[in-house]
Amino acid sequence: RKEVEQDPGPFNVPEGATVAFNCTYSNSASQSFFWYRQDCRKEPKLLMSVYSSGNEDGRFTAQLNRASQYISLLIRDSKLSDSATYLCVVNTVTSGTYKYIFGTGTRLKVLA
Amino acid sequence: DGGITQSPKYLFRKEGQNVTLSCEQNLNHDAMYWYRQDPGQGLRLIYYSQIVNDFQKGDIAEGYSVSREKKESFPLTVTSAQKNPTAFYLCASSRGTSGSFYEQFFGPGTRLTVL
Repeated sequence: RKEVEQDPGPFNVPEGATVAFNCTYSNSASQSFFWYRQDCRKEPKLLMSVYSSGNEDGRFTAQLNRASQYISLLIRDSKLSDSATYLCVVNTVTSGTYKYIFGTGTRLKVLA
Repeated sequence: DGGITQSPKYLFRKEGQNVTLSCEQNLNHDAMYWYRQDPGQGLRLIYYSQIVNDFQKGDIAEGYSVSREKKESFPLTVTSAQKNPTAFYLCASSRGTSGSFYEQFFGPGTRLTVL
């Protein structure tokens, strides 16, 4: 089992739709969680950190479920510019060392 | 502007050559990282450094070397021992490595192609 798993997609949605991605992680000792956005042939850019109480930034909402070991990202009112790959990142401890573990990403295509 | 710079953007190398990728940050971050990304795959950690003059191997360190002589600089050398070096190389930094919400920030990457 991978340490961080994401559905690779692609998710094809029309403009204005709401879309949700999930990401599961295997290490219950994981400390912090993030969503990044990566455009084609570009570097990942931080979209938002994921707090225990959940957090929202404009059209984006992130949730953490520690009991089931997953995080989610909800995008409302999708825009064409939201088309990208969304990476889930988990900061976890293995053998006393903290590491950032990246999912392989979920690809989103927003269609006109 | 604060940020991370990487150079060159594109690099072509002949088999058997060593090449060095540059990474500089002015964010005053203690930790720096090198990742490799291959098509359709997640980022894989090559090396990381938590403090000047110290660094640790990541998951795929074979064929690579690094140095951390200055806080703002973390160059990566891809040696001829690396079997499949063609990839997108990303440098990142963070305030620390452990604990809560030390977000990583990435440079624009270097695309290395072995001819």
